[in-house]
Amino acid sequence: NAGVTQTPKFQVLKTGQSMTLQCAQDMNHNSMYWYRQDPGMGLRLIYYSASEGTTDKGEVPNGYNVSRLNKREFSLRLESAAPSQTSVYFCASRIQGRSEAFFGQGTRLTVV
Amino acid sequence: TQLLEQSPQFLSIQEGENLTVYCNSSSVFSSLQWYRQEPGEGPVLLVTVVTGGEVKKLKRLTFQFGDARKDSSLHITAAQPGDTGLYLCAGVYNFNKFYFGSGTKLNVKP
Repeated sequence: NAGVTQTPKFQVLKTGQSMTLQCAQDMNHNSMYWYRQDPGMGLRLIYYSASEGTTDKGEVPNGYNVSRLNKREFSLRLESAAPSQTSVYFCASRIQGRSEAFFGQGTRLTVV
Repeated sequence: TQLLEQSPQFLSIQEGENLTVYCNSSSVFSSLQWYRQEPGEGPVLLVTVVTGGEVKKLKRLTFQFGDARKDSSLHITAAQPGDTGLYLCAGVYNFNKFYFGSGTKLNVKP
C-alpha cells in the first residue's frame, strides 16, 4: 500500500547542476501535482497534470520542467539548479474534482 | 504572494484555550479543504467543505466555508498538545488547480 512515492528523499546539488525528482502513485489517480514548501510560505504549486499527457503551470513554474510519463509517474526537472530552489518538494495526486490529495514524504533539496 | 492567505501565521497557546484560524482569498473556489501537516511528513486531509455557508464538525474542530466560497475558518475548542502542527487550507479551482494557503503553525503548550 505505497500511495505516493518520491525519490530521492534528500539531495544536495551545486549551483548549475541538473537533476530530476521522481514521483509515482499506485492509486490510479488522474491528477498529479508538484509543490515546493519554504518556511512560512505553505505549499506553492509549481506544475500540475490534470491527466496523462497534459501539464500546466502553477504559481511558481520558472526554473522547472515536468513530464507526465504515464498515468503513474510525474517527474520534476531542474535544468540548472539555483540556491533559490533550496526547498522541500512534495508530489501529490488526487482523482479530480473535490477529492482528497495524497502526498508523498517529500524531497529535501539543498542547492549550494 | 499566494492565492490563499491564512492568519495568524503562528499561534502559541495553553492547553484548554480556544482558537480560530482564517483562510481568505479573492477567488471563488469550487471547494475548500483543510489539511494538517506534521514535521517531515506530507499534509493529511482533515475536511472538505463544498457549499457556501457550510459548517462541518470533527470532534473539537469546527470548519466553516464562507457564503461566497472565498474564505473559510477553522475553530478548535479546548486545544490539546496533540493538536500541535501546521494547518493548511487548500482551494480547488477549476476542478484541477489546487492551491494551498500560507499555513498556520500551532503550538499548544501543556
